[in-house]
Amino acid sequence: NAGVTQTPKFQVLKTGQSMTLQCAQDMNHEYMSWYRQDPGMGLRLIHYSVGAGITDQGEVPNGYNVSRSTTEDFPLRLLSAAPSQTSVYFCASSSHSAPYEQYFGPGTRLTVT
Amino acid sequence: DAKTTQPTSMDCAEGRAANLPCNHSTISGNEYVYWYRQIHSQGPQYIIHGLKNNETNEMASLIITEDRKSSTLILPHATLRDTAVYYCIVRGNQAGTALIFGKGTTLSVSS
Repeated sequence: NAGVTQTPKFQVLKTGQSMTLQCAQDMNHEYMSWYRQDPGMGLRLIHYSVGAGITDQGEVPNGYNVSRSTTEDFPLRLLSAAPSQTSVYFCASSSHSAPYEQYFGPGTRLTVT
Repeated sequence: DAKTTQPTSMDCAEGRAANLPCNHSTISGNEYVYWYRQIHSQGPQYIIHGLKNNETNEMASLIITEDRKSSTLILPHATLRDTAVYYCIVRGNQAGTALIFGKGTTLSVSS
């Protein structure tokens, strides 16, 4: 199993550009989440999904969109990038039977100039 | 959700046991204690969780006090690779919400 994979690993955007961060898992997990981590801080939840077709907002959802058309994939879209979105983004997944035993991807390091 | 309190940082000598405390005095009866760690620049890693009984796995042991208001994560023989930020999180086991990470404890293991 590859576990949770994220692409790209690094990305530089200009202010106003849009892009999609990809996240995929091969463990057939129902739950998937997106977090961001700023320097010296803990993780903050952006959006999460409890199953295909169902998404909900987390602590810091503004400026981001998500969709969950399949169990495996949970892409995060930045609509119009801003310097405040410079961060490391982590995707995580877990099963319905153990929702808080989450498996995290390696992260995407995003810089917005 | 119950709030947790952890020391900001701790030091441990390599080969010794690392005991990381966590206070969760407002924990409710159906909430579990979860521990994660994050090694520099990597994604967080699940370590262990428990409800009221002590738990042990290949990574660590979790000791929860009888009143459940505090717990201790024990790494029995710390190595340099255990240097990381350790997060104590309290959640119910009901699906539909996600983990809330605080600032955790930075554990530094030195030789």
